[in-house]
Amino acid sequence: DAGVIQSPRHEVTEMGQEVTLRCKPISGHDYLFWYRQTMMRGLELLIYFNNNVPIDDSGMPEDRFSAKMPNASFSTLKIQPSEPRDSAVYFCASSTDTLGTGELFFGEGSRLTVL
Amino acid sequence: GNSVTQMEGPVTLSEEAFLTINCTYTATGYPSLFWYVQYPGEGLQLLLKATKADDKGSNKGFEATYRKETTSFHLEKGSVQVSDSAVYFCALIPYSGAGSYQLTFGKGTKLSVIP
Repeated sequence: DAGVIQSPRHEVTEMGQEVTLRCKPISGHDYLFWYRQTMMRGLELLIYFNNNVPIDDSGMPEDRFSAKMPNASFSTLKIQPSEPRDSAVYFCASSTDTLGTGELFFGEGSRLTVL
Repeated sequence: GNSVTQMEGPVTLSEEAFLTINCTYTATGYPSLFWYVQYPGEGLQLLLKATKADDKGSNKGFEATYRKETTSFHLEKGSVQVSDSAVYFCALIPYSGAGSYQLTFGKGTKLSVIP
């Protein structure tokens, strides 16, 4: 069975450029999460969706970040304009869980480097 | 608010050594507790969980017991292998009632097992 699929796996861009990260969740999962991982701050939840609707975006660092989920099988995380401090690994995760079982299925991540 | 504190790594052990990774938490009510593992170049995956006080989660030789009196969920393994080298994350979901879902992660502890 296909797991969570993220693209690109690696992205190197210059400051000021737009970056779009993509995620395909596991079919049938109704929750989708975007996390950011850095050495300094660890793993941070940016935003999550339930049935394609954003539920909590309080972790989105600033207006340069936006996320969409136009349908159940696709989500994007966009950074415009990008800055060097956005360099991190961005993970997408999905779940069919509602309350408390806590099992998220993570993609392999998109490693972003902003020069 | 909710938080998870893990022992700082990295932890380096010889093969067949005993492993303990400490985890303590702060949360209101009765959270569910989890250990996730991240192998090099991969996303996180659920290792084990416990949903109420005194529960013991176990998987692949790893164990952790939910201790409410000490607000702890320490990860243990009696004999580590080189293949256990990874980053381990302690996490919690607070008791949420209806409509809320948020997994809070610790910063992770890197384990290296040498032959």
